Amino acid sequence: DSGVTQTPKHLITATGQRVTLRCSPRSGDLSVYWYQQSLDQGLQFLIQYYNGEERAKGNILERFSAQQFPDLHSELNLSSLELGDSALYFCASSGPSGRTGELFFGEGSRLTVL
Amino acid sequence: GNSVTQMEGPVTLSEEAFLTINCTYTATGYPSLFWYVQYPGEGLQLLLKATKADDKGSNKGFEATYRKETTSFHLEKGSVQVSDSAVYFCALRQIQGAQKLVFGQGTRLTINP
Repeated sequence: DSGVTQTPKHLITATGQRVTLRCSPRSGDLSVYWYQQSLDQGLQFLIQYYNGEERAKGNILERFSAQQFPDLHSELNLSSLELGDSALYFCASSGPSGRTGELFFGEGSRLTVL
Repeated sequence: GNSVTQMEGPVTLSEEAFLTINCTYTATGYPSLFWYVQYPGEGLQLLLKATKADDKGSNKGFEATYRKETTSFHLEKGSVQVSDSAVYFCALRQIQGAQKLVFGQGTRLTINP
């Protein structure tokens, strides 16, 4: 158990819809990262938050947005969903070790868009 | 930019065989290097890491050495087990900016009894 909790584990929805994925980081971790894992693209970094502030953006579509709340949990919002958004979405958190520290991953939220 | 290249899979071996999964990286400065493992239906778990040149990371019989001169971090295990069947990801954590993890494409390993 990594200590990172993601909900829901599975989600099936239709094209054009909007979903919200939730992540609770490990206790005390201030950084939250979102990754997308699809079969053909591997693990792609989407966005990072640190203590409520956006720190870095990766290959995140404009239809997607995220935020980190004062209690440090984070949400990833995916809207106007397309078939190609079907993927496994991982949240990870890290502590104060900087570049030498590992990221701790949740079990992921599997999104299926029909 | 920073990037990681892994040997393409899938890799299929017999139990007790020797395993090598190649990983090379491109980065500015001296990133930390990691191997993560993803078992079927699960998230990513850290397998081992190395944070500076010539460091050797090891765990569960797996080893990898940070080679700055060849920009490599190859994963090895002397005798694999069926339970090692998983997808293995090499990654670097950059020292600048967001310090996110940059992953290789992953190598699927299957061990047959």
